[in-house]
Amino acid sequence: KNEVEQSPQNLTAQEGEFITINCSYSVGISALHWLQQHPGGGIVSLFMLSSGKKKHGRLIATINIQEKHSSLHITASHPRDSAVYICAVPEGVGGATNKLIFGTGTLLAVQP
Amino acid sequence: EPEVTQTPSHQVTQMGQEVILRCVPISNHLYFYWYRQILGQKVEFLVSFYNNEISEKSEIFDDQFSVERPDGSNFTLKIRSTKLEDSAMYFCASSKGVTGELFFGEGSRLTVL
Repeated sequence: KNEVEQSPQNLTAQEGEFITINCSYSVGISALHWLQQHPGGGIVSLFMLSSGKKKHGRLIATINIQEKHSSLHITASHPRDSAVYICAVPEGVGGATNKLIFGTGTLLAVQP
Repeated sequence: EPEVTQTPSHQVTQMGQEVILRCVPISNHLYFYWYRQILGQKVEFLVSFYNNEISEKSEIFDDQFSVERPDGSNFTLKIRSTKLEDSAMYFCASSKGVTGELFFGEGSRLTVL
């Protein structure tokens, strides 16, 4: 069964800073999800990636399959980026499934 | 932009009562899910549903829980006899493919007293 670890658990940044959130998992996967949870509780999918790098606006996600590690980067951070960022991976080996194991999340606060 | 909608946004119920949480997935999606998040804890997978049957479920999803797609648009989660520990935010999600990008609803907060 896969295990997911995220770091850091909490992160405070000044507006404009470059932010990195890390995610490690224990078992080979088909794809990894990065999610954003708003203060009100709603969840939004940011990225689903299985290799390399994806970019959407100021957000960049990378994954290293060999090292079982992914990073989420935010460039030019803004207070509206303040949220919980969650990494999630399939439960089983090589899992072609959305039966996901979720990380504990990284609480990001971006101060003006 | 298409979205997943959930109702109710918040429900308060007495222990032992039946609760039905409703979801309308994105119309051309084929896979439907329920996840839950107990306050202060990680999100947890409950169940996935495809082709009118459960495809996977977690240990949490015991006989007290059931899902159905009664009319081709709604996707419901029923808890037969609620317990205090069922208090949580319940998220519905849908995807096009079995490993496709997930689209989540805003969640239904269930409070069991």
